[in-house]
Amino acid sequence: QKEVEQNSGPLSVPEGAIASLNCTYSDRGSQSFFWYRQYSGKSPELIMSIYSNGDKEDGRFTAQLNKASQYVSLLIRDSQPSDSATYLCAVNRRMNTGFQKLVFGTGTRLLVSP
Amino acid sequence: EAGVAQSPRYKIIEKRQSVAFWCNPISGHATLYWYQQILGQGPKLLIQFQNNGVVDDSQLPKDRFSAERLKGVDSTLKIQPAKLEDSAVYLCASSLVTSGVTIGNEQFFGPGTRLTVL
Repeated sequence: QKEVEQNSGPLSVPEGAIASLNCTYSDRGSQSFFWYRQYSGKSPELIMSIYSNGDKEDGRFTAQLNKASQYVSLLIRDSQPSDSATYLCAVNRRMNTGFQKLVFGTGTRLLVSP
Repeated sequence: EAGVAQSPRYKIIEKRQSVAFWCNPISGHATLYWYQQILGQGPKLLIQFQNNGVVDDSQLPKDRFSAERLKGVDSTLKIQPAKLEDSAVYLCASSLVTSGVTIGNEQFFGPGTRLTVL
């Protein structure tokens, strides 16, 4: 079982729709969760972080966390063609040294059609 | 605030040659990371520094890869000798976090270096 699992997609949605991206993780001790957006040929860009169960909203983005189910999701409302990118889920895992290590999923490719 | 800087942006070498990448983190960020991202995969952590000390290098192929962070600021990652399978994007990231923190650790990435090994 991978530490962080995502459906590779592509997830295709029409412009204006809600895109729902999902992620599951295996380490129950993880406490910090992130979503990065990566355009083709570019580096990952942090768009959302979430640390508590429930929803966190930032503009058109909503991150949802359910620690009991070990599940993180990202909703993008009013999807735009410019949202077409790969979305990486990342989960912090605490190491024995006391430091944290960020583990990434393989990413979900989102395609928003005009 | 300036972001993470990396150079070069692109590098093409032949197998068995050596190559070095440079990274300058965001000012004040204590922790620096080097990741390898192969096409179609998520970034994989190679090495993590806290100031100038190594925190984790468990996934660094130490027979060919080396990294240092002198003076706790800039860092270099070297590959010697390179193999075909080292073709990837090498990403540098930095964060404010220090040990003992359980929440947070937002990491910010540089533009990356795309390495092609022929």
